[in-house]
Amino acid sequence: AQSVTQLGSHVSVSEGALVLLRCNYSSSVPPYLFWYVQYPNQGLQLLLKYTSAATLVKGINGFEAEFKKSETSFHLTKPSAHMSDAAEYFCAVSDRYTDKLIFGTGTRLQVFP
Amino acid sequence: EAQVTQNPRYLITVTGKKLTVTCSQNMNHEYMSWYRQDPGLGLRQIYYSMNVEVTDKGDVPEGYKVSRKEKRNFPLILESPSPNQTSLYFCASSNPTRTSGANVLTFGAGSRLTVL
Repeated sequence: AQSVTQLGSHVSVSEGALVLLRCNYSSSVPPYLFWYVQYPNQGLQLLLKYTSAATLVKGINGFEAEFKKSETSFHLTKPSAHMSDAAEYFCAVSDRYTDKLIFGTGTRLQVFP
Repeated sequence: EAQVTQNPRYLITVTGKKLTVTCSQNMNHEYMSWYRQDPGLGLRQIYYSMNVEVTDKGDVPEGYKVSRKEKRNFPLILESPSPNQTSLYFCASSNPTRTSGANVLTFGAGSRLTVL
């Protein structure tokens, strides 16, 4: 069965600092991986996705993630945090045959001035 | 504007009183799904539908029903709500493409349900 594990339910950074949100996946077949962001009182929206092309994926708002098969990881990074990045971030995995998305438990990012 | 619309956005009800949360999408998407979001548990799939008249259980279907009579609508029905169904509910839709294989979901804004 496929799954994702997000390490750290809460992450706090200062404005301008590096953002690193961790995601590890488990999949018996080549996975598709996603990061979604949820701003307060809103639905989720796609940040970026990995579909087996380039291992370094760039998304919206300056975020990027790197697929590392040897580490079964898909960590999300942003070089310099902005106050507007405060939100909850979800990692998700799907396989190529069922289209089902399985979400992690989420990481809430706080950004301090 | 391409969107998924859920109603109501907020609802407080009592145990046993049947309710329906509507979901409608205007993107002609084939795939629709309901999730519930609970603190510390992330999003868990309740039901999904691959197309009209095709529905299937997700990971937490107990206590819920769905129907897909039209492509654009996918209502979630709670026949006899209980307090453990107090949650934030999201409807989502997509057109999975076999070439990319990546099912990118478009989410509604969410429906916060409280069952007393």
